[in-house]
Amino acid sequence: GNSVTQMEGPVTLSEEAFLTINCTYTATGYPSLFWYVQYPGEGLQLLLKATKADDKGSNKGFEATYRKETTSFHLEKGSVQVSDSAVYFCALSEIQGAQKLVFGQGTRLTINP
Amino acid sequence: DTAVSQTPKYLVTQMGNDKSIKCEQNLGHDTMYWYKQDSKKFLKIMFSYNNKELIINETVPNRFSPKSPDKAHLNLHINSLELGDSAVYFCASSVGTGSSYEQYFGPGTRLTVT
Repeated sequence: GNSVTQMEGPVTLSEEAFLTINCTYTATGYPSLFWYVQYPGEGLQLLLKATKADDKGSNKGFEATYRKETTSFHLEKGSVQVSDSAVYFCALSEIQGAQKLVFGQGTRLTINP
Repeated sequence: DTAVSQTPKYLVTQMGNDKSIKCEQNLGHDTMYWYKQDSKKFLKIMFSYNNKELIINETVPNRFSPKSPDKAHLNLHINSLELGDSAVYFCASSVGTGSSYEQYFGPGTRLTVT
């Protein structure tokens, strides 16, 4: 079946550092790809998405590009802030008569001032 | 205004009890979901309803029974609770069933079974 693999966490960085969280996927067909973020004590929020190959999703300084050739959707940000501390989930969308999100295991990010 | 709300936020109960978690969305969405997040933060879909009709039913024990009285509500009833049911349960909704639609998540219900 389809699956998503994220880099192991936790990840700890200093403020203004460059961030990369790796995400690769296995899927039949051409799924949509998402990054969701979960702040402490809250539900998940969509951070960005891409629906076809070579699409770049971006939001709040975060970017990710849908790479079909490497089956990847790595999340990047040029300069992280303390407020970016959260758990980040990469996900793909299957259609089996309905949208079904398949999530990676999540990566906990902590940014120190 | 809260888009997707869940009650209760915390639920502590003993093994063998029956409990329900309620979910409501005021976004006018047609599709709703239940997810389970375990202690390692891993998220897995349990059920999905579209216009009150069950469309996804993952391999979940039949002690779990979702009910959708109308498009805006999707409740989760759990019978004979077990220790392994302890988790955070998230409700979500989306406009429809298309693959690119964003899902909007509720704040979660932390269930602890003792």
